[in-house]
Amino acid sequence: AQSVTQLGSHVSVSEGALVLLRCNYSSSVPPYLFWYVQYPNQGLQLLLKYTTGATLVKGINGFEAEFKKSETSFHLTKPSAHMSDAAEYFCAVSDANGNKLVFGAGTILRVKS
Amino acid sequence: ETGVTQTPRHLVMGMTNKKSLKCEQHLGHNAMYWYKQSAKKPLELMFVYNFKEQTENNSVPSRFSPECPNSSHLFLHLHTLQPEDSALYLCASSQVSGHIYEQYFGPGTRLTVT
Repeated sequence: AQSVTQLGSHVSVSEGALVLLRCNYSSSVPPYLFWYVQYPNQGLQLLLKYTTGATLVKGINGFEAEFKKSETSFHLTKPSAHMSDAAEYFCAVSDANGNKLVFGAGTILRVKS
Repeated sequence: ETGVTQTPRHLVMGMTNKKSLKCEQHLGHNAMYWYKQSAKKPLELMFVYNFKEQTENNSVPSRFSPECPNSSHLFLHLHTLQPEDSALYLCASSQVSGHIYEQYFGPGTRLTVT
């Protein structure tokens, strides 16, 4: 069965510092991988996705993620954190049937001024 | 984000009440989903509808009753809820056709059961 592990339920960075949010997955089929962001009292918004092709994926708001099959990872990065990046981030993997997504537990990103 | 709308945004109900949550997607998708998001717990998938047919029910108590009259509308009927059902209920939609595509989420309904 597919599963997602997000290392660190809370991550704190200074404004302007590198953001690194970790995601490892388990999948019995070639995975489709996603990162979503959730701001307070809102739904989830898609940041980026990996399906096939280039393993470095660029998304909105300056975020990117790299699919590493050998490490079963899909970590999310941003070179320079902004205060507006403070939110909760979810990594997700498609299930084997392709009918649904399996989400990680989420990582809350705090950005310090 | 206006692709997926949910009403109401906030709902307070007693344990003996009956209420319904509504979701509408304007993206031409063929699959819709209900999720429950509780504090300090992972996102829980409740129901999945593909082409108006329910394809998944993740052991959800019968006090939650979904309805999908067409590919654009999804309802969640609530009755005799418990305080632990208080949560953010999120609706999502996607296009499913042999491959999984991303899901688009609504803003959610914040439900409080008193």
